[in-house]
Amino acid sequence: EVVMTQSPLSLPVTLGQPASISCRSSQSLVYSDGNTYLNWFQQRPGQSPRRLIYKVSNRDSGVPDRFSGSGSGTDFTLKISRVEAEDVGVYYCMQGTHWPGTFGQGTKVEIK
Amino acid sequence: EMQLLGSGGGFVQPGGSLRLSCEGSGFIFSNYAMTWVRQAPGKGLEWVAGISDSGHKTYYADSVKGRFTISRDNSKSTLYLQMNSLRGEDTALYYCAEDPRGPYYWGPGTLVTVSS
Repeated sequence: EVVMTQSPLSLPVTLGQPASISCRSSQSLVYSDGNTYLNWFQQRPGQSPRRLIYKVSNRDSGVPDRFSGSGSGTDFTLKISRVEAEDVGVYYCMQGTHWPGTFGQGTKVEIK
Repeated sequence: EMQLLGSGGGFVQPGGSLRLSCEGSGFIFSNYAMTWVRQAPGKGLEWVAGISDSGHKTYYADSVKGRFTISRDNSKSTLYLQMNSLRGEDTALYYCAEDPRGPYYWGPGTLVTVSS
């Protein structure tokens, strides 16, 4: 199984300031079809996960443009340009290139 | 809009069995690969099993391989997860979701508790 390693695991941020989460995979996530199936999810307390980003950098419908994804190969990043109160929650990266899929450990974002 | 509704969760003793179901609506179920993802209390997300749109290909996390079986009945728009030889560490909220490569639509989850 591919191991996904996120850092940091806890991220206290000031409202209005940027935040960044790193995700590294134990092997390349480039699939045979040329796509890289690296996703980012947000999970607020008591809610089902919500996909924010798919295939590294594609923002899902309704996701604010302050969220952005980047990276390639084995190294990926989720950035929030200006953190808002509603962004509090746990963020997970997930690879769907190699089945079984695997998630990172999660990064808890909280307001300082 | 795509909707997924899981059922079948409950309380079971270690070594026991349980079958989860997930009915899809609002989309052509047979066109979508599907997946089960679980979350133990206070823990992170774990991809459990995936199945192709036809049902001919299945994949499992190492933690459940040989004990869990994912299947589907496209005529009923329903996804299943047969769970045997259950252990305490299988206690979790089980979500059904579409697209094992990166699910967008998730059901609300069904709780499985394994305890003596």
